[in-house]
Amino acid sequence: GESVGLHLPTLSVQEGDNSIINCAYSNSASDYFIWYKQESGKGPQFIIDIRSNMDKRQGQRVTVLLNKTVKHLSLQIAATQPGDSAVYFCAENNKGPRGDDKIIFGKGTRLHILP
Amino acid sequence: IAGITQAPTSQILAAGRRMTLRCTQDMRHNAMYWYRQDLGLGLRLIHYSNTAGTTGKGEVPDGYSVSRANTDDFPLTLASAVPSQTSVYFCASSGSVDTGELFFGEGSRLTVL
Repeated sequence: GESVGLHLPTLSVQEGDNSIINCAYSNSASDYFIWYKQESGKGPQFIIDIRSNMDKRQGQRVTVLLNKTVKHLSLQIAATQPGDSAVYFCAENNKGPRGDDKIIFGKGTRLHILP
Repeated sequence: IAGITQAPTSQILAAGRRMTLRCTQDMRHNAMYWYRQDLGLGLRLIHYSNTAGTTGKGEVPDGYSVSRANTDDFPLTLASAVPSQTSVYFCASSGSVDTGELFFGEGSRLTVL
């Protein structure tokens, strides 16, 4: 079936260290995969996306890696800061019956920054 | 700059009542989505619309209906609310179906008693 899931519900990282958040997916037909950040009491915010024909994409302090062989997606955050504390979701696009696009989210990982 | 506006912010509702959550965007985005977020379950897609005049069912559509009469508005209706529909509801929009970048509203917290 179609599903996007995460390996760990909570991740604690020392401030200044790099964070790696992992995600597994099952739908090989997805065109792209996305990472979102959600701070407490707010709606999710887009971080970065990657198309299925790529294996790596970099943004500002973030890198997303896609391994289609094992259906695995990861988000790397360099030099983690207190402001990075949030819940992180991976998501993917699924095609509806008319070929229309819908974005399906995984359960989320809470990133906790240790001082 | 408004972006996406949801209303109400919070509502307590008796079971069996009808409720419409409003969502309006001023970005002229074609695609709009409704998600519900429950503790430990992440965001689950209820309904979506890729363009005005079309809608589609998401992961958890039962008990909800939507309409997309124009580009800007995408209301979500609970015809007869039940306690299991207690949740935080997020509306989102996207300017293109070729990108995963969704813009979210601030959410509507609904409690059904």
